[in-house]
Amino acid sequence: QKEVEQNSGPLSVPEGAIASLNCTYSDRGSQSFFWYRQYSGKSPELIMFIYSNGDKEDGRFTAQLNKASQYVSLLIRDSQPSDSATYLCAVSRVTGNQFYFGTGTSLTVIP
Amino acid sequence: GAGVSQSPSNKVTEKGKDVELRCDPISGHTALYWYRQSLGQGLEFLIYFQGNSAPDKSGLPSDRFSAERTGGSVSTLTIQRTQQEDSAVYLCASSIAGGVDTQYFGPGTRLTVL
Repeated sequence: QKEVEQNSGPLSVPEGAIASLNCTYSDRGSQSFFWYRQYSGKSPELIMFIYSNGDKEDGRFTAQLNKASQYVSLLIRDSQPSDSATYLCAVSRVTGNQFYFGTGTSLTVIP
Repeated sequence: GAGVSQSPSNKVTEKGKDVELRCDPISGHTALYWYRQSLGQGLEFLIYFQGNSAPDKSGLPSDRFSAERTGGSVSTLTIQRTQQEDSAVYLCASSIAGGVDTQYFGPGTRLTVL
């Protein structure tokens, strides 16, 4: 079982719609959860992090964490073509040094 | 301030040659990570440095891979006797103090082994 699992997609949504990206993790001891965006040929850049159960909003982005279900998601409201990228979920444990990254979900926003 | 920088941006080498990849982390960041990303794949953890502690080398795929970090700042990832399967983008990231701190990535080095 992989530490972090994501649906690889591709996920296509029309411009202006809500894009929903999902991630599950295996270690119940995981403490911090991150969403990174990676444009083709570029390095990952942080979008959001979340530590506590519930929702965290930042502009058009909302991260949702449910530790009981070991599930974290990212919602992108009013999707724009510039949001087209691969979204990587990352999880860090309470102990240890490693971040565990999912393989990413490819999102395409259709104008 | 300046972000994480890496050099070279691209490296083409012949099978069997050694290569060195450099990472310059954000000033003041004590934690430094190396990852590898193959085409269409996620990030594969390679090695982690935190301050003066012994590095976590648990992700290095073989003894052909090694890394060092001098003076707690710049790091060099060395791949000896390169193989075609080593072709990938090598990403470096740094964070303030490691652990659960946010990691900031450099632009990566694209390594191609012919």
